[in-house]
Amino acid sequence: QKEVEQDPGPLSVPEGAIVSLNCTYSNSAFQYFMWYRQYSRKGPELLMYTYSSGNKEDGRFTAQVDKSSKYISLFIRDSQPSDSATYLCAMRLQAGGFKTIFGAGTRLFVKA
Amino acid sequence: NAGVMQNPRHLVRRRGQEARLRCSPMKGHSHVYWYRQLPEEGLKFMVYLQKENIIDESGMPKERFSAEFPKEGPSILRIQQVVRGDSAAYFCASSPETGLTEAFFGQGTRLTVV
Repeated sequence: QKEVEQDPGPLSVPEGAIVSLNCTYSNSAFQYFMWYRQYSRKGPELLMYTYSSGNKEDGRFTAQVDKSSKYISLFIRDSQPSDSATYLCAMRLQAGGFKTIFGAGTRLFVKA
Repeated sequence: NAGVMQNPRHLVRRRGQEARLRCSPMKGHSHVYWYRQLPEEGLKFMVYLQKENIIDESGMPKERFSAEFPKEGPSILRIQQVVRGDSAAYFCASSPETGLTEAFFGQGTRLTVV
């Protein structure tokens, strides 16, 4: 069993739709949760960072962490064609200086 | 303020040759992380370095792979006697001296072994 499970998609939605991306994990010790966006042939770009359980909102993006269920989500409101990318969830045991475990990524296509 | 710089962006090596991948962290960053990404897979941690020290190399293959981050100059990931299975995208990330959780990634080096 992988430490982090993420549906690879692809996920195709019309412009303006609400997108829900999810990951599950097995290690209850994970404390820090991140979402990265990666365009084709580019490096990952940090979108959201959350410590422990709860919600965090930044513009059109909302990240949710449910540690009791070992489940994290990223919601994208009013999706745009420019949101078409691969979204990677990631998590870490401790702050700073320790390895991050990534999901395999979900490919998202937003159709105009 | 330049981001994390990796070079070369593309590298082609024949089986048995050596590959050297370079990473210059962002200004003010002294923590460097190397990751490998295979097609259709997420990033896999390889090694974490601070200046002149390897902190965690638990993701590095035991043979043929080595990494350094000297006092002066970029971090180097070195792969000796490359094999076809080494073909992947290699990403470097850096974070500040305080070890903040946010790390910034470079654009990667795509290694192709022929």
